[in-house]
Amino acid sequence: DTGVSQDPRHKITKRGQNVTFRCDPISEHNRLYWYRQTLGQGPEFLTYFQNEAQLEKSRLLSDRFSAERPKGSFSTLEIQRTEQGDSAMYLCASSLGGLDNQPQHFGDGTRLSIL
Amino acid sequence: AQKVTQAQTEISVVEKEDVTLDCVYETRDTTYYLFWYKQPPSGELVFLIRRNSFDEQNEISGRYSWNFQKSTSSFNFTITASQVVDSAVYFCALRGTGANSKLTFGKGITLSVRP
Repeated sequence: DTGVSQDPRHKITKRGQNVTFRCDPISEHNRLYWYRQTLGQGPEFLTYFQNEAQLEKSRLLSDRFSAERPKGSFSTLEIQRTEQGDSAMYLCASSLGGLDNQPQHFGDGTRLSIL
Repeated sequence: AQKVTQAQTEISVVEKEDVTLDCVYETRDTTYYLFWYKQPPSGELVFLIRRNSFDEQNEISGRYSWNFQKSTSSFNFTITASQVVDSAVYFCALRGTGANSKLTFGKGITLSVRP
């Protein structure tokens, strides 16, 4: 059973550069979520998709952030003009839609470091 | 708004001791779902247990048990006969229904189990 896959695992970049992360959910899951986790904190919700539709965005998701899920399968999260405060672990999760009690299953995350 | 409070930050026990992790939540939803996740040093969030708000029966699953009390908005998690491999950060999370699909996490409790 293949779990949620995220790429890359680590990304180091200079301030001001653009970065893009990819998430491949569990194949039968139609809901996909992005979270951000900083040191010593719990994950914070960024956005989620049901199939290809982006249904909710957090106010944490500034206009420098954009997420897509063009065919309802994998998703990308892009951060433009990165800032020091963007350094964090970016987590992707997926779940079955239709039943609210379905747990979200998480990937290993992408750790972003801004120099 | 939803909120999860994990007042304990760090707990240290000796192997084979029982340990209880506390969680208090706030929500205006009448139907909601509570989860516990484990994050070992490797970083991946692992789903452990879930409880629906309309089912207050407490359960035991192997060495894990949980105590859900709606009257006090608490969802405590107990590990019986702790093992070194239980050392991790444990997160309590809350989810609403329908469009309110995101998880709201607490700050986590770092559990250290010493041999």
